[in-house]
Amino acid sequence: GQNIDQPTEMTATEGAIVQINCTYQTSGFNGLFWYQQHAGEAPTFLSYNVLDGLEEKGRFSSFLSRSKGYSYLLLKELQMKDSASYLCAVMDSNYQLIWGAGTKLIIKP
Amino acid sequence: GAVVSQHPSWVICKSGTSVKIECRSLDFQATTMFWYRQFPKQSLMLMATSNEGSKATYEQGVEKDKFLINHASLTLSTLTVTSAHPEDSSFYICSARPTSGGFSYEQYFGPGTRLTVT
Repeated sequence: GQNIDQPTEMTATEGAIVQINCTYQTSGFNGLFWYQQHAGEAPTFLSYNVLDGLEEKGRFSSFLSRSKGYSYLLLKELQMKDSASYLCAVMDSNYQLIWGAGTKLIIKP
Repeated sequence: GAVVSQHPSWVICKSGTSVKIECRSLDFQATTMFWYRQFPKQSLMLMATSNEGSKATYEQGVEKDKFLINHASLTLSTLTVTSAHPEDSSFYICSARPTSGGFSYEQYFGPGTRLTVT
């Protein structure tokens, strides 16, 4: 079967750094996405990785290791507005997105 | 660019009635649109994939006669929840994949529609 695992909830302090991990087992791989979703709102695109390595985009970076079926999202200089759920999604061989359950990130002052 | 709208943003209906939700890509054409459902504190669940001019592809366990999808143009897809029941109360989100240009596999999400069936 297809499976995406990520922690249910994480807590971090404003100004700090947090890493959200995602492991996956899917039928085929055509890239991994990270989305941010605030409560009651639709997801917004953060990053896309299809090759191994680190992609940096401002305060957010995303890493992929295809051999390990592993990705992480790194958030630096945390701000209160970063409190949200972070969804990991993998595009399988049918170009279908398989979604993780999301990680709720709580930022404390 | 790449804006997707949904209407209505929230709706309350009585059990047994039908509700139509519209999903529009405002500044791009989308051959493919997706309909998701999200229950509280759960992840997105894909209900169906809608392709312009053809029948939608429904995920296992989703009743196609209950959740009617029409993708009549490259910018509009509709989801009709027929004979709604309280257990259909959920957050319905659509997304659209651009037909051409830009990052071809990215999906742009609408703001969602919160349906409450009483």
